[in-house]
Amino acid sequence: GAVVSQHPSRVICKSGTSVKIECRSLDFQATTMFWYRQFPKKSLMLMATSNEGSKATYEQGVEKDKFLINHASLTLSTLTVTSAHPEDSSFYICSARHPGAGGYEQYFGPGTRLTVT
Amino acid sequence: GIQVEQSPPDLILQEGANSTLRCNFSDSVNNLQWFHQNPWGQLINLFYIPSGTKQNGRLSATTVATERYSLLYISSSQTTDSGVYFCAVGLTGANSKLTFGKGITLSVRP
Repeated sequence: GAVVSQHPSRVICKSGTSVKIECRSLDFQATTMFWYRQFPKKSLMLMATSNEGSKATYEQGVEKDKFLINHASLTLSTLTVTSAHPEDSSFYICSARHPGAGGYEQYFGPGTRLTVT
Repeated sequence: GIQVEQSPPDLILQEGANSTLRCNFSDSVNNLQWFHQNPWGQLINLFYIPSGTKQNGRLSATTVATERYSLLYISSSQTTDSGVYFCAVGLTGANSKLTFGKGITLSVRP
């Protein structure tokens, strides 16, 4: 159990376009999901916390109008990178908080590699 | 915010050797996880261990929350253990976000 999927796994887009990334918890319901960004050979940086049915909470320095997050159901959160630029190229990873055994363990999706040309 | 330091930053082992990976954190936490990131970028959950000791096969972990550190032990290492190991810490409650360390890159040579 505790499987999180992401789609797409890899996307290339042109500068100025928008890209949507989906994160799904496949076998559990997640009231809270998280979005991270990882640069090559670096650690994960939390971008925002997504709570089902409410607005996301963004970390300091993350532009909420550029990185739109929607958590419309207990199994789906989406991240839309609007008006993408080459500096947005990165590895984006989502996680979902599992409700079992204390309720705070996070399970991660396989990541989405975004390249903006 | 909370600071997480992992050591050593890089580790090279011969297959079959044992190792200890360390995670120090700067503040009290009640939420701690260890992950292994494979070469394709997937984070694999190793342990959810805010306190105490757990074992899973060749891996075990110990967290001493009062002294603000956690240890991950790998015994009889295999080449498939190679990758990056992350420690992530935080608090439970409404703000349950995790802060990640910089990771430890492990290379196990045959």
